[in-house]
Amino acid sequence: ETGVTQSPTHLIKTRGQQVTLRCSSQSGHNTVSWYQQALGQGPQFIFQYYREEENGRGNFPPRFSGLQFPNYSSELNVNALELDDSALYLCASSQIGSPLHFGNGTRLTVT
Amino acid sequence: DQQVKQNSPSLSVQEGRISILNCDYTNSMFDYFLWYKKYPAEGPTFLISISSIKDKNEDGRFTVFLNKSAKHLSLHIVPSQPGDSAVYFCAAPPYNAGNMLTFGGGTRLMVKP
Repeated sequence: ETGVTQSPTHLIKTRGQQVTLRCSSQSGHNTVSWYQQALGQGPQFIFQYYREEENGRGNFPPRFSGLQFPNYSSELNVNALELDDSALYLCASSQIGSPLHFGNGTRLTVT
Repeated sequence: DQQVKQNSPSLSVQEGRISILNCDYTNSMFDYFLWYKKYPAEGPTFLISISSIKDKNEDGRFTVFLNKSAKHLSLHIVPSQPGDSAVYFCAAPPYNAGNMLTFGGGTRLMVKP
């Protein structure tokens, strides 16, 4: 059973650029969530996808967007990057009603 | 508005002793709570959970206690082992929000041999 995998592991972008982060869900999981973890803080919920549709969103602006594909892989897109977007981005998958399984994250640095 | 708070950023414990990690919440609509453990360079891993209909849940060395009137939960690890050294997060989903979790800020546990 493969776990949740994320790519890339590290990324450096310039303010104003756009970035796409990728996630491959654990086999058999039908929901995928994305979280942002700033340094020294707990993860913050960005949004969740179920059956390729967004079905929940946290307090993040529209420049944070996502996609879930039929094979349950997922993308997080961030437009017009700001310095405060520098963080660890965590993808998590689950079956409905079961705890989240997290990937190891993508460390994004915006300069 | 921090609805889940972990007021101790760090805790140091001797191997073999008890570790107690605390978490407070403000949203009375929370009815399910989870603890996650995070090692450096890894994602959080699920540890133990508790429903609001219970006041205690035990899994091996790990026990979570819930005090609804005080809006407080705690994670007890007995006996503590060096491999337990990690950052521990408590988390809760808003009512009927499944896995859309609100996390606390985390407590770094260091277990000294």
